[in-house]
Amino acid sequence: GQQVMQIPQYQHVQEGEDFTTYCNSSTTLSNIQWYKQRPGGHPVFLIQLVKSGEVKKQKRLTFQFGEAKKNSSLHITATQTTDVGTYFCAGAPSGNTPLVFGKGTRLSVIA
Amino acid sequence: GAVVSQHPSRVICKSGTSVKIECRSLDFQATTMFWYRQFPKKSLMLMATSNEGSKATYEQGVEKDKFLINHASLTLSTLTVTSAHPEDSSFYICSASWLPYNEQFFGPGTRLTVL
Repeated sequence: GQQVMQIPQYQHVQEGEDFTTYCNSSTTLSNIQWYKQRPGGHPVFLIQLVKSGEVKKQKRLTFQFGEAKKNSSLHITATQTTDVGTYFCAGAPSGNTPLVFGKGTRLSVIA
Repeated sequence: GAVVSQHPSRVICKSGTSVKIECRSLDFQATTMFWYRQFPKKSLMLMATSNEGSKATYEQGVEKDKFLINHASLTLSTLTVTSAHPEDSSFYICSASWLPYNEQFFGPGTRLTVL
């Protein structure tokens, strides 16, 4: 079945440093979505990417969808303590199939 | 964004009893609801997908007779853990979507502890 791999599993950064998490799928995706889960909370939708090579920005967050629509990345510029949490990517192959979530990257920010 | 509620937020039960968890979309009609299980510091494991008015589609390895899902209306889905055992203790999260495979809105989760 489809697999979505995410790296790194954990990332500890100093406040102000940049952070990137990468997502790779074993199959071509129709779309990829990113979610953030704060400690003790539930996943919250961040963004959806649909087009090959698409890049979207939300303030300090930059999301990319690969040309082959099999990989994606989330980059945070100048991390803040409010960025702490686990970032999940989730993708679905073409067709009517549910999202498959990556294992997530847990970000810790040291003030 | 859309709001999804879950009830109860925490439940402790004895082994062998059944527990029902409700998932409601408060301000939109959810054609599809999803049930996930999440172990501590782990990813979301999809258990089943339910569409209003039809039988749920269970993921491989998930016992449909143990985890009963009912999606009676466009705003309510229930998950019943039957004859719960300690290994069923987990964090159960639902999500809802108004298009089957569009963005999902997650409920706050239910922490189940089976003694």
